[in-house]
Amino acid sequence: GIQVEQSPPDLILQEGANSTLRCNFSDSVNNLQWFHQNPWGQLINLFYIPSGTKQNGRLSATTVATERYSLLYISSSQTTDSGVYFCAVSQGANNLFFGTGTRLTVIP
Amino acid sequence: DTGVSQDPRHKITKRGQNVTFRCDPISEHNRLYWYRQTLGQGPEFLTYFQNEAQLEKSRLLSDRFSAERPKGSFSTLEIQRTEQGDSAMYLCASTKGSYEQYFGPGTRLTVT
Repeated sequence: GIQVEQSPPDLILQEGANSTLRCNFSDSVNNLQWFHQNPWGQLINLFYIPSGTKQNGRLSATTVATERYSLLYISSSQTTDSGVYFCAVSQGANNLFFGTGTRLTVIP
Repeated sequence: DTGVSQDPRHKITKRGQNVTFRCDPISEHNRLYWYRQTLGQGPEFLTYFQNEAQLEKSRLLSDRFSAERPKGSFSTLEIQRTEQGDSAMYLCASTKGSYEQYFGPGTRLTVT
């Protein structure tokens, strides 16, 4: 299967700070998704971004498919941003391969 | 559109018992996926349906696991003779057309 590596594994931020999460993957893909997993375990869709750049409020993401990486930017972080962020990739309609996640803690 | 729903949300069972979970995908989503997530890990693929056909099964899906999707609507995942190693969050996802998958809230299984 496709290997997905996320960094950093853990991140602690002061409220209001900015952060960048990285996702590297080992093969060509045509689906890449970023998720936020809430404390109850639900995966919330943040971005569907197989290539290019998208923005949604304080969050933005960039995928450079030819270099097999994606970045998730969080600006002006809030305590509600805390949780685990997952990157997942797939080839076509096949199953997603997930990284091990980045655990973000935002301190007031 | 209502989202993906899963039932039950939590299940505690004794080792050796059988359990069954249900997933209702988003309406008209023809693809349905099951994943399993253990503590500190990302979700791992179990199996995948397109309509009622089960197209792929992971090696994680031992003989004790079976999944169905009758009539291409809801799906069930059954675990027979549960073991403590089966304790995990079981996640269901669905999609239609695009490759973007939408996840349900999960069923957290604890085997005692």
